[in-house]
Amino acid sequence: EIVLTQSPGTLSLSPGERATLSCRTSESLGSSYLVWYQQKPGQAPRVLIYGASRRATGTPDRFSGSGSGTDFTLTISRLEPEDFAVYYCQKSGSSPPFTFGQGTKLEIK
Amino acid sequence: EVELVNSGGDLAQPGGSLRLSCAASGFTVSTSYISWVRQAPGKGLEWVASIYIGGSTYSADSVKGRFTISRDNSKNTVNLQMTNLRVEDTAVYYCARRGGDHGFYYLDSWGQGTPVAVSS
Repeated sequence: EIVLTQSPGTLSLSPGERATLSCRTSESLGSSYLVWYQQKPGQAPRVLIYGASRRATGTPDRFSGSGSGTDFTLTISRLEPEDFAVYYCQKSGSSPPFTFGQGTKLEIK
Repeated sequence: EVELVNSGGDLAQPGGSLRLSCAASGFTVSTSYISWVRQAPGKGLEWVASIYIGGSTYSADSVKGRFTISRDNSKNTVNLQMTNLRVEDTAVYYCARRGGDHGFYYLDSWGQGTPVAVSS
């Protein structure tokens, strides 16, 4: 079973700054199988990035994904107030388990 | 418009059972891949189970043998039958639809979640 490890656990930044979130996998993962979600308090998650780097419909272009193999990154170029939330990476595809990382909380500094 | 509505969450005793439902509208569950994902209080997301178009089902080791995912095509609903509940099953349970194609898959629509509390 592939384990996804996200870092940092908490990231404290100010609006306008750049955020870099990491997701490392215990085994090499095809890029098409890495997804990023955003979750705000009291809400269900929503997809931001799939296939490691493809923006989902409605995702602002300040969000970008990159990486391959075992190292993946979600970057938010200039933080807006609505971007402060928890972010999860997930292994997708057709072969379970569809494991999630433990999440990175992005909080206002 | 695609919508998923979760229901069935409740307070249950350890060893008890609950049945969660995920009612879909705007698409047909029989031609979709549907998963259940849970989130314990203050914790992260955990994949629980999935049902595929052909009817194959898969579940996490933590619930295998206790939880069963099934589909009711006549009601356009996916259910999660939970038996032998444990305190650690306490969580908000979400159903979600898999979207995407050509090998690029993701959970594109989510229910609002239904809370399950297991306590004596």
